[in-house]
Amino acid sequence: NAGVTQTPKFQVLKTGQSMTLQCAQDMNHNSMYWYRQDPGMGLRLIYYSASEGTTDKGEVPNGYNVSRLNKREFSLRLESAAPSQTSVYFCASSEIWGIQYFGAGTRLSVL
Amino acid sequence: GENVEQHPSTLSVQEGDSAVIKCTYSDSASNYFPWYKQELGKRPQLIIDIRSNVGEKKDQRIAVTLNKTAKHFSLHITETQPEDSAVYFCALEGGSYIPTFGRGTSLIVHP
Repeated sequence: NAGVTQTPKFQVLKTGQSMTLQCAQDMNHNSMYWYRQDPGMGLRLIYYSASEGTTDKGEVPNGYNVSRLNKREFSLRLESAAPSQTSVYFCASSEIWGIQYFGAGTRLSVL
Repeated sequence: GENVEQHPSTLSVQEGDSAVIKCTYSDSASNYFPWYKQELGKRPQLIIDIRSNVGEKKDQRIAVTLNKTAKHFSLHITETQPEDSAVYFCALEGGSYIPTFGRGTSLIVHP
């Protein structure tokens, strides 16, 4: 039982490059989330998907897109990376009003 | 969406002392209040949670109290140990089903 699996663990991009962060969960959760974590800022919600087939913006969606591929998988795409997107990204899954289970995180640097 | 303020941002204690972290919120519809612990370089993990129909919950050295009238909830750690050193995040969910996290408290327990 792997829980929430995120790939890659580390990534370095140049400004303007694109990339997709992958996330998969095996707990049959309906809801999935993408957060970014910056020093002193806590966990800020980028996008979420309350159920398969739906996605919604969170607190900081600009510069990102998401796809809920199926119930298990929720990907985050940076179309044109900017230095301000240097951060640690966490994927999470849960049931509504339930415990959030986080992936191990992706450390992204944009030069 | 919901708003949550967490204090203090840093807390330094001696081993064996107690530690208290407080979060205040504004949305009276909030009804789920989890606390997460994040060790350095690791993912956040739930340590305790409380729902709006309960005023206090304990799990060994950790307790959470909720005051819905005053709109605040607190994490209490007794007999602190060096392994309690980490960043602690409060969170809440309510009518919008979107989780909101506090900015975190860095707890340092000195041996």
